[in-house]
Amino acid sequence: KAGVTQTPRYLIKTRGQQVTLSCSPISGHRSVSWYQQTPGQGLQFLFEYFSETQRNKGNFPGRFSGRQFSNSRSEMNVSTLELGDSALYLCASSLVGGMRGANVLTFGAGSRLTVL
Amino acid sequence: AQKITQTQPGMFVQEKEAVTLDCTYDTSDQSYGLFWYKQPSSGEMIFLIYQGSYDEQNATEGRYSLNFQKARKSANLVISASQLGDSAMYFCAMREGHNTGNQFYFGTGTSLTVIP
Repeated sequence: KAGVTQTPRYLIKTRGQQVTLSCSPISGHRSVSWYQQTPGQGLQFLFEYFSETQRNKGNFPGRFSGRQFSNSRSEMNVSTLELGDSALYLCASSLVGGMRGANVLTFGAGSRLTVL
Repeated sequence: AQKITQTQPGMFVQEKEAVTLDCTYDTSDQSYGLFWYKQPSSGEMIFLIYQGSYDEQNATEGRYSLNFQKARKSANLVISASQLGDSAMYFCAMREGHNTGNQFYFGTGTSLTVIP
């Protein structure tokens, strides 16, 4: 069974540019979440999509956006990049949302973004 | 207030010994889930163990067990018979029941080093 696939794995951008990251969840998983991981702030929740609808959003500026397609694949976009956006962006998928059993998040390997 | 607190930035353990990684949580929900993840240097988050707030027994998964003390709001991870491959970052996480989505709160992590 294929895991969560994130592309690209590494990328370097300059300030002011924009970036799009892609996430393909485990087959059958309808919930896709995005997290930003930095040494200073740790793992911070960006947003969650379920059946193509954004269900939760963390405390990030509007420069961070995302979407989910009908096949559950998700993309996140960061516009007008800042140096502080340098981070590991982790995507995670799960079967369903809400408190149903363990409902474990399965993570991808992440996309490491460096902003120069 | 922090939802998840991990007070041990770094821990060392001798190979084959047991180690306890601390985690306390803060929620007013009666229904919640607690999770532990491992993050090796490769970056991918690996699910280890889950404990539901209504579970009466402490969760166990192979060499991992979760010492759940509800009144103290603690969910410590115990790794028995440590192996060199256990060297990694360990994150405690929580999902609250009132949230219809699948948003997780993560602690700042504990870096575990297993000494041969």
